[in-house]
Amino acid sequence: AQSVTQPDIHITVSEGASLELRCNYSYGATPYLFWYVQSPGQGLQLLLKYFSGDTLVQGIKGFEAEFKRSQSSFNLRKPSVHWSDAAEYFCAVGPTGGFKTIFGAGTRLFVKA
Amino acid sequence: NAGVTQTPKFQVLKTGQSMTLQCAQDMNHNSMYWYRQDPGMGLRLIYYSASEGTTDKGEVPNGYNVSRLNKREFSLRLESAAPSQTSVYFCASGATETYGYTFGSGTRLTVV
Repeated sequence: AQSVTQPDIHITVSEGASLELRCNYSYGATPYLFWYVQSPGQGLQLLLKYFSGDTLVQGIKGFEAEFKRSQSSFNLRKPSVHWSDAAEYFCAVGPTGGFKTIFGAGTRLFVKA
Repeated sequence: NAGVTQTPKFQVLKTGQSMTLQCAQDMNHNSMYWYRQDPGMGLRLIYYSASEGTTDKGEVPNGYNVSRLNKREFSLRLESAAPSQTSVYFCASGATETYGYTFGSGTRLTVV
């Protein structure tokens, strides 16, 4: 069965430090992979997506993610975190048949001054 | 601004009451979705509509009904609210399954 795992429930980083959020998936074919961000009290916003081709994809707000088929991973990275990046981040995989995308449980990012 | 609009933003219901959550998108997307978000559980799909005139159950459909009124609007109805339905509800739309979704800002529902 398809699934998405985000191993870290929450992560704290210092402002200006680098960030990596982990995502592992289980999928029977070549997946479509997504990262979304949710600011407090808001809906989710699409950060980036991977379909095929270059395994390093660039997104909005300075984020990037790398697809590693051998590790079934799609980790999100940012070289230098800003206080405004504090939010919850969701990894997702689709399609899973019937137009359904599966979301991970989320990783909450805290940024300290 | 183009996007997904949900109403209401907040609602408190008594157990057994009914209500309808409204969702409208102006991006001409074919697919629309209703999710609920609970702490530590991510987003769980309640119902979806792949195109106008079709609806299908998702992961947690019990206690809910939906209507795809037209291409723009997709409503979620709770016929007899229960405390277990206390949650934040999100509507989303997408041009295709592989395109990614646009989400509304959510409805925070409390059932007492």
